[in-house]
Amino acid sequence: SAVISQKPSRDICQRGTSLTIQCQVDSQVTMMFWYRQQPGQSLTLIATANQGSEATYESGFVIDKFPISRPNLTFSTLTVSNMSPEDSSIYLCSVVRGEDYGYTFGSGTRLTVV
Amino acid sequence: GIQVEQSPPDLILQEGANSTLRCNFSDSVNNLQWFHQNPWGQLINLFYIPSGTKQNGRLSATTVATERYSLLYISSSQTTDSGVYFCLTTDSWGKLQFGAGTQVVVTP
Repeated sequence: SAVISQKPSRDICQRGTSLTIQCQVDSQVTMMFWYRQQPGQSLTLIATANQGSEATYESGFVIDKFPISRPNLTFSTLTVSNMSPEDSSIYLCSVVRGEDYGYTFGSGTRLTVV
Repeated sequence: GIQVEQSPPDLILQEGANSTLRCNFSDSVNNLQWFHQNPWGQLINLFYIPSGTKQNGRLSATTVATERYSLLYISSSQTTDSGVYFCLTTDSWGKLQFGAGTQVVVTP
């Protein structure tokens, strides 16, 4: 399955600032997915990023708060904007590579907003 | 959308014990996977198993798609098996849904 490099692995940020998370995949993929995992919770899909088009956001998530870029088929970024302590979560990117492999996840970014 | 329920929510095991985790889903699925999230937050893909049975070492999984459930078996548990186990489904529309997870603690 695909290998995903995600960074940063963790960060502590001041409220009101923004953080950009990067995911690099070792092969070309059509769709990349961004998830949020709040403390003690399961994963929630934020948006699906396709190359060359705007990301598709799930209910409860908006582009102004979580802008996503997808400049090519191996790379994507998620920005968490104007952060508040409620944004403290693990953020993960994911891709699917082939029908028989399922989804693979990056190692996650553990964000703490103070 | 599809509903995914995992049970039990929590499980405490003594090292060496066997256990079964369950994932029920409310509709037909195109994809079902089991993941282990370690204490550092990393999600490890255990099985891609939309149907049938697979085994990998001490772990095995069975999905009975017609009855809408999947089981993950852990045999001879070790402390490194601690963490949260999630199932992930994808319905016929491509909609992804994680279960709430089972928190497993294996004590020495």
